[in-house]
Amino acid sequence: GAGVSQSPRYKVAKRGQDVALRCDPISGHVSLFWYQQALGQGPEFLTYFQNEAQLDKSGLPSDRFFAERPEGSVSTLKIQRTQQEDSAVYLCASSADRGKGNTIYFGEGSWLTVV
Amino acid sequence: GNSVTQMEGPVTLSEEAFLTINCTYTATGYPSLFWYVQYPGEGLQLLLKATKADDKGSNKGFEATYRKETTSFHLEKGSVQVSDSAVYFCALSRSSGGSYIPTFGRGTSLIVHP
Repeated sequence: GAGVSQSPRYKVAKRGQDVALRCDPISGHVSLFWYQQALGQGPEFLTYFQNEAQLDKSGLPSDRFFAERPEGSVSTLKIQRTQQEDSAVYLCASSADRGKGNTIYFGEGSWLTVV
Repeated sequence: GNSVTQMEGPVTLSEEAFLTINCTYTATGYPSLFWYVQYPGEGLQLLLKATKADDKGSNKGFEATYRKETTSFHLEKGSVQVSDSAVYFCALSRSSGGSYIPTFGRGTSLIVHP
């Protein structure tokens, strides 16, 4: 597609509910990133894929967070047993390569509110 | 570890004023440095970047120079417009297993009045 597409754009979840957030990266992009952005803060790294391989998941805040990219294109971020502190915008980004100066392209984000 | 520190906002200016948003970094090695911008209701997008010391990145009238001596990458524009109102994020790329992952600052909100 023309850009990184994320769905749903807005999600309200009851505490304890599981949620799944989808990311469609730019076609052909090998690198895919997930970030979490709290209100008034910068994006915080969650996890990184190169094709289907999850190479870095050091930013996942707990074992309730899980991400996958089984065929090296679409990715899903799953949050189990959501808590209020999970309320944030979840940003997906992709990049054509993994070089030092690589430009990453962001989607508009999935806004999650846990009530 | 690798991190960036940005000046706190909001920065409020009148149209045609000079803009500086400070950014300093801490890193091992020589990271690439970036400025991303987030306009209201839109996703983050790259504004400019510099990949080595003394490089100057520029775009849309904005400039930033990679200063290794002062570990800084300050964003400047000579004459801001109302349409520049947005949140600006400084970032650096950190190495992770042969790949490079951007690490972002907290963002600085810019408000430009007519």
